[in-house]
Amino acid sequence: TQTVSQSDAHVTVFEGDSVELRCNYSYGGSIYLSWYIQHHGRGLQFLLKYYSGNPVVQGVNGFEAEFSKSDSSFHLRKASVHWSDSAVYFCAVSAPNYNVLYFGSGTKLTVEP
Amino acid sequence: EAAVTQSPRSKVAVTGGKVTLSCHQTNNHDYMYWYRQDTGHGLRLIHYSYVADSTEKGDIPDGYKASRPSQENFSLILELASLSQTAVYFCASSRDRNSGNTLYFGEGSRLIVV
Repeated sequence: TQTVSQSDAHVTVFEGDSVELRCNYSYGGSIYLSWYIQHHGRGLQFLLKYYSGNPVVQGVNGFEAEFSKSDSSFHLRKASVHWSDSAVYFCAVSAPNYNVLYFGSGTKLTVEP
Repeated sequence: EAAVTQSPRSKVAVTGGKVTLSCHQTNNHDYMYWYRQDTGHGLRLIHYSYVADSTEKGDIPDGYKASRPSQENFSLILELASLSQTAVYFCASSRDRNSGNTLYFGEGSRLIVV
């Protein structure tokens, strides 16, 4: 069974700040890890994913995430946030050749002016 | 970009009534999913399908049925709606097992059961 946890339900930062949204997973084998963003009242949109290779993956709009096997983590980062980054961010995990994603509970990011 | 459309976008249903949520995708994806989102919580998988005329149970299938009459269409059916099924429902699709599990979501269907 794969599980994913997002320890921070809410994160508030100011525009221009850097931010890190945390994700930890539990699974014994190879996995896909991904991040999705959900703006208010909308569906989820894919941001980035990792399976193998360079542990730092780049996504859209300046987001990046770093995989750490030792920490069982896949934290999302952005160096300088914009007010439009305010949204709920979901971490997700899936096993290869098993096309079902399991989502964390989400982190609501609020970017204040 | 994948296009996944859901209908209705919002519905109020009475307890014990039948509700059908529909999903249509136009990108020739094999896999389709129904997730449920409750306020302040993540998404939980209800049913999914990887081929027409076949559906699979997800983590919370009780009280829900699914139908995949064609590759493009995937419906979620609540035969006897209950108050606890008030939630936002999301349909999603993905190409296949080798797509890296990138899901494309619809805009959601908000269901209120009274």
